[in-house]
Amino acid sequence: GAGVSQSPSNKVTEKGKDVELRCDPISGHTALYWYRQRLGQGLEFLIYFQGNSAPDKSGLPSDRFSAERTGESVSTLTIQRTQQEDSAVYLCASSLLGERAHSPLHFGNGTRLTVT
Amino acid sequence: RKEVEQDPGPFNVPEGATVAFNCTYSNSASQSFFWYRQDCRKEPKLLMSVYSSGNEDGRFTAQLNRASQYISLLIRDSKLSDSATYLCVVKSYNTNAGKSTFGDGTTLTVKP
Repeated sequence: GAGVSQSPSNKVTEKGKDVELRCDPISGHTALYWYRQRLGQGLEFLIYFQGNSAPDKSGLPSDRFSAERTGESVSTLTIQRTQQEDSAVYLCASSLLGERAHSPLHFGNGTRLTVT
Repeated sequence: RKEVEQDPGPFNVPEGATVAFNCTYSNSASQSFFWYRQDCRKEPKLLMSVYSSGNEDGRFTAQLNRASQYISLLIRDSKLSDSATYLCVVKSYNTNAGKSTFGDGTTLTVKP
């Protein structure tokens, strides 16, 4: 079946602009995650959704970052007033069950964001 | 101290070698463990889950040591295609905070 789909695959934006990143999880997966990975670094957790609610937003780096999920499906990550330090690959993952289960994450290809 | 720690390497080994990576975790309530591989400029992909009794998948063997709080990955008969960064993942159920914690990865380069 189809995997996790993210769009756009690449985004170049000017400092100060808003961007919206989209994630379509695997059908039927109840849990959805956003991570950020800067060049040469590890994965940085941003936010986790169980259904449409977000029990853990602890990783969002500032109030410029927000995310929502609707219909227990598509999620969007919005970054307002982008800064150069926001440049990174934004990875979305989904899993069949949530955190309280032995259920691995499946990742999309990521959105490579470059803020100029 | 990070919740999940890995030796970043790099590990440079010849084809056919056996190589092992360890990953330590700090939360004793951790319940689920996984190994992922990540190729350069690609997304992480699940390599294998790690079970309490240890498990094997072809040339790959994963083990869990709860007493010492580490997991390991053993790769036998290394292939050039095994060159990648290997990430360990730990899931803990003792809090309401829901996130899988990734290590920063161990880089492996297999050379001819």
